[in-house]
Amino acid sequence: DGGITQSPKYLFRKEGQNVTLSCEQNLNHDAMYWYRQDPGQGLRLIYYSQIVNDFQKGDIAEGYSVSREKKESFPLTVTSAQKNPTAFYLCASSGSTSTDTQYFGPGTRLTVL
Amino acid sequence: GNSVTQMEGPVTLSEEAFLTINCTYTATGYPSLFWYVQYPGEGLQLLLKATKADDKGSNKGFEATYRKETTSFHLEKGSVQVSDSAVYFCALRTNAGGTSYGKLTFGQGTILTVHP
Repeated sequence: DGGITQSPKYLFRKEGQNVTLSCEQNLNHDAMYWYRQDPGQGLRLIYYSQIVNDFQKGDIAEGYSVSREKKESFPLTVTSAQKNPTAFYLCASSGSTSTDTQYFGPGTRLTVL
Repeated sequence: GNSVTQMEGPVTLSEEAFLTINCTYTATGYPSLFWYVQYPGEGLQLLLKATKADDKGSNKGFEATYRKETTSFHLEKGSVQVSDSAVYFCALRTNAGGTSYGKLTFGQGTILTVHP
């Protein structure tokens, strides 16, 4: 089955540590996205990538970094510079045109202890 | 800038009741509109979409009509079930290139609870 996988589902981190969230898709989509979801709020865009080896900052990129070395993979690193990292992180992907629907992975819940 | 406003929740209904979740938007150009659903502990699933004015999106008994004159995309279902309990997100996407490529703008979400 085609889809988007995110791992792990739950992640715990101590303050001051960097942590990397995985996102893999086998939909052959060119574009991939990372969103953050906080309780009672909609999703906010962190980073997105339209093609391999290229990515753009979203609305809340500070304290995060990404890479896009392969079409299938778009890992997100939450750095120690992120002031409030505890949240639910969602990865999405879409085809190569701006009219394609975004499909979401199951998410990773990050808790900073 | 773009924005989406949803009716505040939570919404609590009995099974077989009629559901309406209001959604209005502000956007430049001609956005595409979406409803996503999120079940507890899971990611978002696309429920339905409409890409131009007067289009009606429908899926699993849910419907929403793209009303340009009122800038609205209200979600409706004639008879809800307990399994419809979830968080519902309205979203828009402006079909522009450059830095707005594919970017979705979400409402804050509406929690729906359906009791037997």
